[in-house]
Amino acid sequence: GIQVEQSPPDLILQEGANSTLRCNFSDSVNNLQWFHQNPWGQLINLFYIPSGTKQNGRLSATTVATERYSLLYISSSQTTDSGVYFCAVESYGGSQGNLIFGKGTKLSVKP
Amino acid sequence: DAEITQSPRHKITETGRQVTLACHQTWNHNNMFWYRQDLGHGLRLIHYSYGVQDTNKGEVSDGYSVSRSNTEDLPLTLESAASSQTSVYFCASSESRATEAFFGQGTRLTVV
Repeated sequence: GIQVEQSPPDLILQEGANSTLRCNFSDSVNNLQWFHQNPWGQLINLFYIPSGTKQNGRLSATTVATERYSLLYISSSQTTDSGVYFCAVESYGGSQGNLIFGKGTKLSVKP
Repeated sequence: DAEITQSPRHKITETGRQVTLACHQTWNHNNMFWYRQDLGHGLRLIHYSYGVQDTNKGEVSDGYSVSRSNTEDLPLTLESAASSQTSVYFCASSESRATEAFFGQGTRLTVV
């Protein structure tokens, strides 16, 4: 099955710093989503981005489907950005709608 | 606003008991999914459904069952709870293939 790898596994930032999180996947995908799991455990939808670039405030994401990777950019980080960021993909050959998750990047933003 | 809700949010049960976790969505989505989240494994698919009366096994389906009697609900049943089923359970829904999925708040289940 498709493999999803996220890097780095852990990231510590000072408030105000910028960061880039990466998601590599091993096969063609027709769906890619980024989630933020907050300290209370909720999975928050950040981006639905099977290809192209999107921006939402301080966050933006780019997916280059032909090269099988996606990037999540966080600018001017805040303590509320702390948590785990997951990339999840749905492969063309997989079951409809079934998202395969990476293991996540744990982000800690220090004041 | 449309939403997907899970209940209960937290549950403690004893080994061997039958447990049912509820999932209700108001998106009118065809697809519904159950995942479990464990340290070191990330989120893994348990069961899924593409519509009423349709159910399918996922990667880690042993010891679990689901039923889909209407569009809105996909309850997850643990037939005989085991300590290995202590986990956080997430329900999700999506309209169809390659569409955005939305997740419930999660249910933390502890089997003692």
